Amino acid sequence: NAGVMQNPRHLVRRRGQEARLRCSPMKGHSHVYWYRQLPEEGLKFMVYLQKENIIDESGMPKERFSAEFPKEGPSILRIQQVVRGDSAAYFCASSPLAGGDSTEAFFGQGTRLTVV
Amino acid sequence: DQQVKQNSPSLSVQEGRISILNCDYTNSMFDYFLWYKKYPAEGPTFLISISSIKDKNEDGRFTVFLNKSAKHLSLHIVPSQPGDSAVYFCAASSGSSASKIIFGSGTRLSIRP
Repeated sequence: NAGVMQNPRHLVRRRGQEARLRCSPMKGHSHVYWYRQLPEEGLKFMVYLQKENIIDESGMPKERFSAEFPKEGPSILRIQQVVRGDSAAYFCASSPLAGGDSTEAFFGQGTRLTVV
Repeated sequence: DQQVKQNSPSLSVQEGRISILNCDYTNSMFDYFLWYKKYPAEGPTFLISISSIKDKNEDGRFTVFLNKSAKHLSLHIVPSQPGDSAVYFCAASSGSSASKIIFGSGTRLSIRP
């Protein structure tokens, strides 16, 4: 059973370009979370999705950032017109359920975005 | 507003001794708490969790204690080993059906020989 798969592991974009980060959750998991970690900081919640639904996007910047988790395929975090401040590690996590005793979320290895 | 706080950014403990990592939370709706461990350039790895109906959960060398009245939890590692050197994140969520997991800022634990 493969874990949470994120790709690419490293992504370099020039200012103004678009960045697409992919996350394939663990098999059987229908809940996906995206987090951002800036250098020397903790994990900041961005968005929580279930299949075809955004449940909570309170941590997502209002502009340039969007996320989706389609019925088929991976979850995508999309950053348009990237700026240097977007440089960070972006982690995806998945869980089978929300709430209760099975709320552990399993993380992928992350995508390190560098904006030059 | 930080709902989950880890006030010690770093901690150094001698090998073989007990490591105690602390975490405070402000949201009384949280009823499920987790600890994650993170090595550089890797994703966080789930370590141990505790439900608010308990005050202690033990798994091998790791024990998590929850004090609901103080809104405080701690992770004890005993005995500490060199491989325990990592960043430890405290996290919390509510039991509702649509609840995000909120993380603290992390504590970097260093185990010295």
